[in-house]
Amino acid sequence: EVQLLESGGVLVQPGGSLRLSCAASGFTFSNYAMSWVRQAPGKGLEWVSSISGSGGSTYYADSVKGRFTISRDSSENTLYLQMDSLRAEDTAVYYCAKDQYGDYSVDSWGQGTLVTVSS
Amino acid sequence: QSALTQPASVSGSPGQSITISCTGTSSDVGGYNYVSWYQQHPGKAPKLMIYDVSNRPSGISNRFSGSKSGNTASLTISGLQAEDEADYYCSSYTSSSPYVFGTGTKVTVL
Repeated sequence: EVQLLESGGVLVQPGGSLRLSCAASGFTFSNYAMSWVRQAPGKGLEWVSSISGSGGSTYYADSVKGRFTISRDSSENTLYLQMDSLRAEDTAVYYCAKDQYGDYSVDSWGQGTLVTVSS
Repeated sequence: QSALTQPASVSGSPGQSITISCTGTSSDVGGYNYVSWYQQHPGKAPKLMIYDVSNRPSGISNRFSGSKSGNTASLTISGLQAEDEADYYCSSYTSSSPYVFGTGTKVTVL
């Protein structure tokens, strides 16, 4: 059974930094692209970033490009999202997501971790 | 990376069929057969219902079906049931990013 467990969400001040982690299990982690998707309170889903299975290719939404960095450690089966220069509009539940093999759809989601950016 | 356009709400009575539209452009929905649909109940993570326009993952009821015409994709729920009441989101591959999500549709079972 695929399990994705996010951690690291906290209250942080504007301009601050945070690193989210996602511990993956139940599948061969290095074979799958992974993504982060966020959802602001009461709002819709927003794709944030994706990384290929090898980690060699990364992709970012314009809203976070230059501020967020996605990475992965296949030895630890863990996905990361380094978030810098945080803004109030980054406040959201951040979901770790496993991409379906060879496809552009998410077949497994974590339960999410809440990031609140406020002074 | 503009969000795909969905109706804010759709409603129907138990047993009826409803259809949710998802409108994009030739750079996303119209250009690729990588449209997916997700169901999200309040306080829960999304769940994949349809991928590659019309394919259902294992375990998803055949009451859910997907299609696409031009720049608009559609999700149809037939035999509407109380448990189908949820938010639904479409997503598509785009020429500039792996994903763009729709604005979301709240489905109400009357």
